[in-house]
Order: sequence, then C-alpha cells, then structure tokens
Amino acid sequence: SQKIEQNSEALNIQEGKTATLTCNYTNYSPAYLQWYRQDPGRGPVFLLLIRENEKEKRKERLKVTFDTTLKQSLFHITASQPADSATYLCALSGANNLFFGTGTRLTVIP
Amino acid sequence: EAEVAQSPRYKITEKSQAVAFWCDPISGHATLYWYRQILGQGPELLVQFQDESVVDDSQLPKDRFSAERLKGVDSTLKIQPAELGDSAMYLCASSLDVQRGYGYTFGSGTRLTVV
Repeated sequence: SQKIEQNSEALNIQEGKTATLTCNYTNYSPAYLQWYRQDPGRGPVFLLLIRENEKEKRKERLKVTFDTTLKQSLFHITASQPADSATYLCALSGANNLFFGTGTRLTVIP
Repeated sequence: EAEVAQSPRYKITEKSQAVAFWCDPISGHATLYWYRQILGQGPELLVQFQDESVVDDSQLPKDRFSAERLKGVDSTLKIQPAELGDSAMYLCASSLDVQRGYGYTFGSGTRLTVV
C-alpha cells in the first residue's frame, strides 16, 4: 500500500527565513499532490495543488515542487511570519480521494 | 465564502452509547467525505459519497459505524456502540471534482471523546 512520509514532526525557524517542508512517498504514482494547512482544533485548509507533469507551482509566498523520479514534494514558505505557524499536511491523489501524510508542525519564531 | 458545516463541535459520550455527527457540504459539491483524525496523525478516510451513493467505505468499521447521505445533500455519521478508541476528530469534507484536482473544503470537525 502507499506510504507517505513527512520528515520532521516539528520544524522551528526564525521569522523572515524560508521554511522548507518535505513529503516523500513510496509504492505509488499519484496524478497530483496537494498541500494543506491545519491549525489546532480546526479542519485542514487547501493551499496548493501540483500535477505530476508540473515541476513547480507558486502562490504568493508559497512554492511547491514535485519530483516524480525522487517521489518527493518540497513545500516552501518564503519570508516566513509567526502567522504561518501551523501544521502542514501533504496529500496524494488516489483513484477517487486523497491520502494524507501525518503533517509537519511549523513554528515561526519572532 | 462557502463553508462545510459540521455539528456538534464537541461531543463527550460514554462507551457503549450511540453518537451521531452531521455534515452539510458546500452547495453543488457532489462528493462528500468523512475522515477521522487521531491527534498527531493525518486524516484517514472513513467513507466517500458521490451524490447519495457510497463510493468507498472500505475503511469504515461497519460493525459499529454507519453513514448515510439521503437526497445527496447533507450526511450523518453514526457510531453505535462507541468505544474508547473512537476518541478522535471527525472531519467532513466536500469537493467539486477531485479527478480534476479541486481541493477539499473541510469543516471544523467534531471532537469526540469517549469516556
């Protein structure tokens, strides 16, 4: 069965720096990959989608890359702010739905 | 902005009791999902509906869980009897067309505590 790993349960960075989160997967070839933000006690919020034939996708301070050879996606937040502190989940497309990773908890230190 | 409505927000129940959660997806979203999220883990799919039909319930513990989406609009997830291990966040989500890559819109969830 597919396996999704998000390295680092927790990541602490200084405000203004670029945060880089990693999502690795095995036993799978997803058509697309999505990233979500989740705040404590709330449901995940959709951020970005990248398809298997796309290398990079940007949205404001967010950038996602997708390397189907390495089976890896990188999620970058540039000029990070304390308000970016949250858990970030990657999700891979299945036949009809999404499979989620366990998430990385990001803390941006002022 | 349209939202997925879920109720109740919190639920405490004793083991062996019955509990039910309600979800109203975004209008026009044909696909509805129920996920369970244990603290510190990612959401895991319980059941998926396309309109009023179940598309995937392979991970739903059918001996105690049931879900329905009458008329293809709102949905109810029921647990009977509840067990201690059912304590988790129950999330409902809807999507316009997952095959075309639309993101899911999640509700705020129901935090269930079984005592």
